[in-house]
Amino acid sequence: QKEVEQNSGPLSVPEGAIASLNCTYSDRVSQSFFWYRQYSGKSPELIMSIYSNGDKEDGRFTAQLNKASQYVSLLIRDSQPSDSATYLCAVNLRGSQGNLIFGKGTKLSVKP
Amino acid sequence: EADIYQTPRYLVIGTGKKITLECSQTMGHDKMYWYQQDPGMELHLIHYSYGVNSTEKGDLSSESTVSRIRTEHFPLTLESARPSHTSQYLCASSRYNSPLHFGNGTRLTVT
Repeated sequence: QKEVEQNSGPLSVPEGAIASLNCTYSDRVSQSFFWYRQYSGKSPELIMSIYSNGDKEDGRFTAQLNKASQYVSLLIRDSQPSDSATYLCAVNLRGSQGNLIFGKGTKLSVKP
Repeated sequence: EADIYQTPRYLVIGTGKKITLECSQTMGHDKMYWYQQDPGMELHLIHYSYGVNSTEKGDLSSESTVSRIRTEHFPLTLESARPSHTSQYLCASSRYNSPLHFGNGTRLTVT
């Protein structure tokens, strides 16, 4: 079983809609969770981090964490074409020597 | 503003050449990493370091080697490049249990 799983997409949403990106992870005691955005041909950039259950909002982005369900999500409100990218979920799993484990990423396409 | 620097940005080199990809960070981070990523594919961790004189192999077997003589510097070396090494190489750094900061990457093409 893959330790950090994401739907590879592509996820296509119209401009102005809410994009919902999901990630599940295998280790119930994981403590640190991150969302990265990666434009084609570029390196990943950190957009959100979340450490405790609940929601964390930053501008148009909201990260949601449910440790009991081993589930972390990213919502993008008022999606823009510039949000079109691959979104990587990363989790600090127990037994990973403190290294982040990345999912394969979900490709998001926002249509004008 | 980038605090982690990779050079060169692009490199085209012939088979059998020795190459070194440079990575430096100015954030004082203890941990540094090298990832390999093919276009449209997932990140693969190939090397990491906890600090000076510490190097570990990652999840993906790689013919490259790394060294960590100074905190800020984590170069990756390929003794004899092959076309199968063609890929993007991403360097990153972090404090322990903190998010990674990535460099701009080196796109390597071996002909």
